[in-house]
Amino acid sequence: FMLTQPHSVSESPGKTVTISCTRSGGSIATYYVQWLQQRPGSSPTTVIYEDNQRPSGVPDRFSGSIDSSSNSASLTISGLKTEDEADYFCQSYDSNNDWVFGGGTKLTVL
Amino acid sequence: QVQLVQSGAEMKKPGSSVRVSCKASGGTFNSNPMSWVRQAPGQGLEWMGKIVPIFGTTNYAQKFQGRVTITTDESTTTAYMEVSSLTSEDTAIYYCASGPVGVAKYWGQGTLVTVSS
Repeated sequence: FMLTQPHSVSESPGKTVTISCTRSGGSIATYYVQWLQQRPGSSPTTVIYEDNQRPSGVPDRFSGSIDSSSNSASLTISGLKTEDEADYFCQSYDSNNDWVFGGGTKLTVL
Repeated sequence: QVQLVQSGAEMKKPGSSVRVSCKASGGTFNSNPMSWVRQAPGQGLEWMGKIVPIFGTTNYAQKFQGRVTITTDESTTTAYMEVSSLTSEDTAIYYCASGPVGVAKYWGQGTLVTVSS
């Protein structure tokens, strides 16, 4: 299966942005979705796991959701800060628990 | 909190092999699968394979079957990933990552492997 993300999004500081991740092959609701943030020159960090759970230390400006009707997941970041500028990847898995990543979305905060 | 600490950068010749280590602490090593992910320069994330330490079972992405070997040493809570027959296209940052089944939750800091003659 594949996970498809928009190549890039941009928004102004203080605003809200939503990044989508559409699954082709299998139900989005069957397999958890994770969201990873990767700042330039850094390793990925998980900002959302198991569809909508935030690891400790991740601000509540980050939220995740799934929509079975469109077979997609979304990452929403509210109150955008310049420090949120990064690449964001969605990740999920298949019936063998093998991982698949989306192609990544470059978020620009300008 | 689980921490994953990887070995340092490697410079390798084409045709050789490289082994990267990933030491886990702060959690129960056996309970979560350990995956390896690579990222070529300027590219996205690519899952390579995983091991379930408690069973020692492995799964590899088809692209890496036969060329990648993932192992663990429970006594030192360390996972290893070896890539053989290196080419310049294997130049990348290699990450270990773990979490509940199917879930990428914890990440190592990455190991840069450069393949050049």
